[in-house]
Amino acid sequence: SQTIHQWPATLVQPVGSPLSLECTVEGTSNPNLYWYRQAAGRGLQLLFYSVGIGQISSEVPQNLSASRPQDRQFILSSKKLLLSDSGFYLCAWSGRAGETQYFGPGTRLLVL
Amino acid sequence: AQSVSQHNHHVILSEAASLELGCNYSYGGTVNLFWYVQYPGQHLQLLLKYFSGDPLVKGIKGFEAEFIKSKFSFNLRKPSVQWSDTAEYFCAVILNPTGGGNKLTFGTGTQLKVEL
Repeated sequence: SQTIHQWPATLVQPVGSPLSLECTVEGTSNPNLYWYRQAAGRGLQLLFYSVGIGQISSEVPQNLSASRPQDRQFILSSKKLLLSDSGFYLCAWSGRAGETQYFGPGTRLLVL
Repeated sequence: AQSVSQHNHHVILSEAASLELGCNYSYGGTVNLFWYVQYPGQHLQLLLKYFSGDPLVKGIKGFEAEFIKSKFSFNLRKPSVQWSDTAEYFCAVILNPTGGGNKLTFGTGTQLKVEL
């Protein structure tokens, strides 16, 4: 069966510091991968998605970037964190048809 | 802009009460519809989904949802809730699914608390 991992689970970072969040998927090949952010009191917002290695689509302009160095690895990064980057970050995967997305456990980021 | 609306932000029910959570979307074309649930301290999990066919879909744990195209709605129902149904519920929609990197648009979520 497929599993999706995210780490770290929780992260506290100072403003201006870099960020790297990792997501990996097991048990499937050529998945579509997604990064979402959930801010307090708001729904999930799609940040990036990827349909293959090196292929990244950005949904909203922001202080973050994403990369997909391997088929089942998806990384969310920032060079300098802002206070507004605090939130709960969720990675998801779907099959190539992209119909149903399955979510990881999430990373809670607090920028101070 | 296309959006998904969940009008009930917080719902408190007693055990055995019936549940209906509203979800409306604003898009006139083809949609795929989902309800996800997030139990305290757990992953976001798929509760049920609708792509086509019978507009009444059954999910896990006794939940069901009905797609009413004329009302652009996909309301979630359960005849008798349990304390263990306490969770946050999210409606989500894929607008005009293309078979590629489909974007899920989420509602803001409904916090359900079931009291004993």
